Amino acid sequence: AQKITQTQPGMFVQEKEAVTLDCTYDTSDPSYGLFWYKQPSSGEMIFLIYQGSYDQQNATEGRYSLNFQKARKSANLVISASQLGDSAMYFCAIRGTSYGKLTFGQGTILTVHP
Amino acid sequence: SQTIHQWPATLVQPVGSPLSLECTVEGTSNPNLYWYRQAAGRGLQLLFYSVGIGQISSEVPQNLSASRPQDRQFILSSKKLLLSDSGFYLCAWSLTSRPYNKQFFGPGTRLTVL
Repeated sequence: AQKITQTQPGMFVQEKEAVTLDCTYDTSDPSYGLFWYKQPSSGEMIFLIYQGSYDQQNATEGRYSLNFQKARKSANLVISASQLGDSAMYFCAIRGTSYGKLTFGQGTILTVHP
Repeated sequence: SQTIHQWPATLVQPVGSPLSLECTVEGTSNPNLYWYRQAAGRGLQLLFYSVGIGQISSEVPQNLSASRPQDRQFILSSKKLLLSDSGFYLCAWSLTSRPYNKQFFGPGTRLTVL
């Protein structure tokens, strides 16, 4: 079984500052992928970033980076230079070897203040 | 490029009425297909997944069923809706079941059962 824990129901950040969204996971699969999705108020799920369990380097995609600490089973999302458009719900998810299904956390609502 | 469509976008149905939600993917062949449900303010829960035509696996026992009549078509159905079926339904696809394959989501259907 796989599990994702996001302990921050809500986070606030000032525009142009960096913010870290926490994610811890649990899995028995030897190979797995960790994903972050953004869900704005429209409801669409937007893929942000991916980290493979065997990747040596932390993933980066523009202003998004994933702080992957395998020993601690954490995969925190770092958003640099926050923008007002970053205000949304953010989900961490894990994908193992069982038919590729994603297991999601409960999400963190990020609010960016001007 | 690949695109995923869902319809309808919103639906209001009375308790006991039937349901049919459709999802189609363009630009790829033999994708893995997934149906998720999201309750208000919560994470996503996997309902069904399919690795090929006519192959459906259910994650949780429920009032819903799924079918895959064509390679890139995935349908979610119910014979009699319950109040608890209300939620946001998202269809997703990925190339394979490998952990590193990204999963892309459709725009979703917001279902309200009254």
